[in-house]
Amino acid sequence: SQKIEQNSEALNIQEGKTATLTCNYTNYSPAYLQWYRQDPGRGPVFLLLIRENEKEKRKERLKVTFDTTLKQSLFHITASQPADSATYLCAPDTGRRALTFGSGTRLQVQP
Amino acid sequence: DAGVTQSPTHLIKTRGQHVTLRCSPISGHKSVSWYQQVLGQGPQFIFQYYEKEERGRGNFPDRFSARQFPNYSSELNVNALLLGDSALYLCASSLGTFESYNEQFFGPGTRLTVL
Repeated sequence: SQKIEQNSEALNIQEGKTATLTCNYTNYSPAYLQWYRQDPGRGPVFLLLIRENEKEKRKERLKVTFDTTLKQSLFHITASQPADSATYLCAPDTGRRALTFGSGTRLQVQP
Repeated sequence: DAGVTQSPTHLIKTRGQHVTLRCSPISGHKSVSWYQQVLGQGPQFIFQYYEKEERGRGNFPDRFSARQFPNYSSELNVNALLLGDSALYLCASSLGTFESYNEQFFGPGTRLTVL
């Protein structure tokens, strides 16, 4: 069956360091994959979209990679700040008919 | 510009009852999607509507139904509520469907508690 895996353990890093979050998927062939940020009690907020024919996408301090051979996407936040503390969700599309979200990884940036 | 709005914010129902949740998309957006999010999990896709037609359906029982109105607002209906339906229900709007690689703009959600 289709499965999305994100590290369920919280990621704790020091301010200024680079945070790297992993999203692995099985039995999918997504045409694209999206990353969202979610703060407690709020709806997710869109961050980046990367297509299957793109290896890497950048937006300010954010970088996403997409390896369709490994079936993995990596999400990087450089020069992390305490305000980056949140849960980050990956969401590959499913046959371009739905988005399926992983359970998310909670990032905690310590000042 | 106003973002996606949802009503009500919170709702408490008892088992067996029916509930209607409402969503207004961002102006100009023609697609509305509904998601269920249980604590500690990511949002789970329920429906997508585009131009008043159902364009996608997740793995939810027939107790769940939805519709989209001519002004692109939407309602999610859940019949015969079960305890397991307790969750945060999220609405998201987008310019087009998932086929168009559109980002989703989420509302704040409706917290449903079933007792």
